[in-house]
Amino acid sequence: EAGVVQSPRYKIIEKKQPVAFWCNPISGHNTLYWYLQNLGQGPELLIRYENEEAVDDSQLPKDRFSAERLKGVDSTLKIQPAELGDSAVYLCASSPGGINTEAFFGQGTRLTVV
Amino acid sequence: AQSVTQLDSQVPVFEEAPVELRCNYSSSVSVYLFWYVQYPNQGLQLLLKYLSGSTLVKGINGFEAEFNKSQTSFHLRKPSVHISDTAEYFCAVKNGGSQGNLIFGKGTKLSVKP
Repeated sequence: EAGVVQSPRYKIIEKKQPVAFWCNPISGHNTLYWYLQNLGQGPELLIRYENEEAVDDSQLPKDRFSAERLKGVDSTLKIQPAELGDSAVYLCASSPGGINTEAFFGQGTRLTVV
Repeated sequence: AQSVTQLDSQVPVFEEAPVELRCNYSSSVSVYLFWYVQYPNQGLQLLLKYLSGSTLVKGINGFEAEFNKSQTSFHLRKPSVHISDTAEYFCAVKNGGSQGNLIFGKGTKLSVKP
């Protein structure tokens, strides 16, 4: 069974440019998370989807960040415009859903804003 | 809001020594607890989880953790560590109920020395 797939693995952009990250969750997983991980820190939740509905986006900086999950499968996270402080690893995770199942993580996208 | 505290940011130990990584969570009626491991430039991998039942949970790679409700703790232990256990370890909590997010602590870096 394929795991959570994220692309690209690495991205370097200049500040003020837009950037997008893509996530393909494990087949059949209803729950999808996007996390931000700064160096030496734990993952911080940005948004959680249940199927195609964003059930918690309270931590998503909506002035520059947006996300979508078309048809409740793949998801895209976008930043426009990027700032130097956005340099981090962006992690996607999926879960079968329900209240007691663990999340399976992709390898992440390392973003560097210069 | 639920929170997780990992009391030690770094834990250096010698190979074959025992280790304990500490985790405390803010109290809730019911929680589900997880330990994840992250190797350099990788995503997070589940070590073990507590959902209900026995408070002593065994995971992969010889790790175990004990859920202590009265102390709101979920400490991770291994009786004898190997060089290959060098990694970052994250404790995570999910509130019971369908609205629960998976919230992480800041992590503990375990360094195993020969």
